[in-house]
Amino acid sequence: SQTIHQWPATLVQPVGSPLSLECTVEGTSNPNLYWYRQAAGRGLQLLFYSVGIGQISSEVPQNLSASRPQDRQFILSSKKLLLSDSGFYLCAWSRGGGRTDTQYFGPGTRLTVL
Amino acid sequence: DQQVKQNSPSLSVQEGRISILNCDYTNSMFDYFLWYKKYPAEGPTFLISISSIKDKNEDGRFTVFLNKSAKHLSLHIVPSQPGDSAVYFCAARAYMNYGGSQGNLIFGKGTKLSVKP
Repeated sequence: SQTIHQWPATLVQPVGSPLSLECTVEGTSNPNLYWYRQAAGRGLQLLFYSVGIGQISSEVPQNLSASRPQDRQFILSSKKLLLSDSGFYLCAWSRGGGRTDTQYFGPGTRLTVL
Repeated sequence: DQQVKQNSPSLSVQEGRISILNCDYTNSMFDYFLWYKKYPAEGPTFLISISSIKDKNEDGRFTVFLNKSAKHLSLHIVPSQPGDSAVYFCAARAYMNYGGSQGNLIFGKGTKLSVKP
């Protein structure tokens, strides 16, 4: 079976500091990978998605970036965090390639920027 | 522009009764719809989905109904249990296949369901 891991689970960072969140998927190969953010009281906003190694698509302009150095690894980064970057970050995966492709989410990372 | 709307931010239901969560969409190109359940500080869990070629899909206590002409779908939970208390997200997707990419999920803002014993 497939599992998706995210770490860290919680993170408190000062404004202007860098960020690196990691997501890995087990039990599947060549998945589509996604980064979402849920801000307080709001829905899920897609930030980035990737259909393969080194292939990143950005949905929302911001000071965040994403990378996919390996098939089942997806990293969310920032050089300098803003207060508005606080939120709950979710990684998701899907098999891709079909009309009924379903996304499965990781446990999330709670980021607080002070 | 909100393409997927969950107009009720919260819903309270008595244990054993039916819970009905509603979702409206505006994009007629959406052809796949999903419901996710989310507990606090956890990632959303996939519950049930429906393709636009169907109008109903059932899985145990969960049934999703799709009314394409009204651009409306609903999730029915029968009977409701206290463990069903969570935030429920509706999501929709328009399948696109160009350049190897595909349409991504658009989520509603969620409805918080409280099932009281």
